Amino acid sequence: NAGVTQTPKFQVLKTGQSMTLQCAQDMNHEYMSWYRQDPGMGLRLIHYSVGAGITDQGEVPNGYNVSRSTTEDFPLRLLSAAPSQTSVYFCASSWTGESYEQYFGPGTRLTVT
Amino acid sequence: DQQVKQNSPSLSVQEGRISILNCDYTNSMFDYFLWYKKYPAEGPTFLISISSIKDKNEDGRFTVFLNKSAKHLSLHIVPSQPGDSAVYFCAASPPGGGADGLTFGKGTHLIIQP
Repeated sequence: NAGVTQTPKFQVLKTGQSMTLQCAQDMNHEYMSWYRQDPGMGLRLIHYSVGAGITDQGEVPNGYNVSRSTTEDFPLRLLSAAPSQTSVYFCASSWTGESYEQYFGPGTRLTVT
Repeated sequence: DQQVKQNSPSLSVQEGRISILNCDYTNSMFDYFLWYKKYPAEGPTFLISISSIKDKNEDGRFTVFLNKSAKHLSLHIVPSQPGDSAVYFCAASPPGGGADGLTFGKGTHLIIQP
């Protein structure tokens, strides 16, 4: 039982490049989400999904796309990377959208130059 | 406007003593509160929670106290152990908010001194 896994652990992009951050969970959780954590800031919600085929925007969605074609996977796409997207990204999951306690992945540290 | 505030970026406590981490909130609609613990290079892990119908919740060495009139909650760790050194995030949600309704504080870095 791996829990929530994220790849890659580290990534450096140039401004304007695109990439996909991968997230997978093996707990059959309905709810999945993406957060970013910046220095001196709390976790901020980017996008979330309450089930396969359903996604919605969080607090800071601009510049990011998501899709949820399966229960297990919830990739986060950066369409055209900007230095302001330099951050640590965490994927999380929980049984349902009504569950407050979430299980977090180990994070992806992204640097955009 | 920061709705969940953790005003101490860091806190140093001697091993064996009590650690008290504080969290203030401004949104009176919040009715469910959680604490997460985060080690370096790892994701946050859920620690303890409290609903607004309670004023205290205990789990082993960890106790969370809620003072609704003051819009204040605190996490007490007794006794503090070296493995408790981590960043602690306070989070809050309005009724029915669920996971997507959570607002997180900036975190407090707890350092347990031997």
